[in-house]
Amino acid sequence: DVQLEESGGGLAQPGGSLRLSCAASGFSFSTNDMHWVRQVAGKGLEWVSGIGTAYDTYYPASVEGRFTISRDNAKSSLYLQMNNLRAGDTGVYYCARGSPLVRGVISHMDVWGQGTTVTVSS
Amino acid sequence: EIVLTQSPGTLSLSPGERATLSCRASQSVNRNYLAWYQQKPGQAPRLLIHGASSRATGIPDRFSGSGSGTDFTLAISRLEPGDFAMYYCQQYGTSPITFGQGTRLDIK
Repeated sequence: DVQLEESGGGLAQPGGSLRLSCAASGFSFSTNDMHWVRQVAGKGLEWVSGIGTAYDTYYPASVEGRFTISRDNAKSSLYLQMNNLRAGDTGVYYCARGSPLVRGVISHMDVWGQGTTVTVSS
Repeated sequence: EIVLTQSPGTLSLSPGERATLSCRASQSVNRNYLAWYQQKPGQAPRLLIHGASSRATGIPDRFSGSGSGTDFTLAISRLEPGDFAMYYCQQYGTSPITFGQGTRLDIK
């Protein structure tokens, strides 16, 4: 089975840091682009970052300079380092696979994890 | 960035009826790179449609996508109880990837 499992969520103070992890299984992790997508409680989805097979990275303006996406192909794992956290970063963070049907990292997502919850509060 | 506006915000229908959901983009979506996702409470989103009209693996043909440029539609025929959920559109033709705010499909 193709699976993604996130971990590392929790409570952080404003200005603090957290590192999320995503363990992939059931597919060739190294040959797939990967993404993080978040969802604020009761609201919609927001793309947070993407990383290609060549380790090229992409971010929206809302997190650029604060968040860093990375991958370890030997461990089939994806990471999201989140620094200088704000209350608006609170939400459920999903790890997702970029579709191999699209050339390039900017793609739709065909496999999603169940998410890990991040709460930023003092 | 491309802003996606979904309508209606909430759609109340009965099982067996047909649902039509709209997604309008603030500018043309390159290559019609428009996807639709279904999300149920407490679950992750599930890919339904990509490339505006291609069904994802395992998605029944009751779900169909259409449209091009700035106007896209998701149609669900013969609604079943499991279809009542949130639906989001997403464009991936231009960075940053953006999502619509969602349409809630409720049982009438």
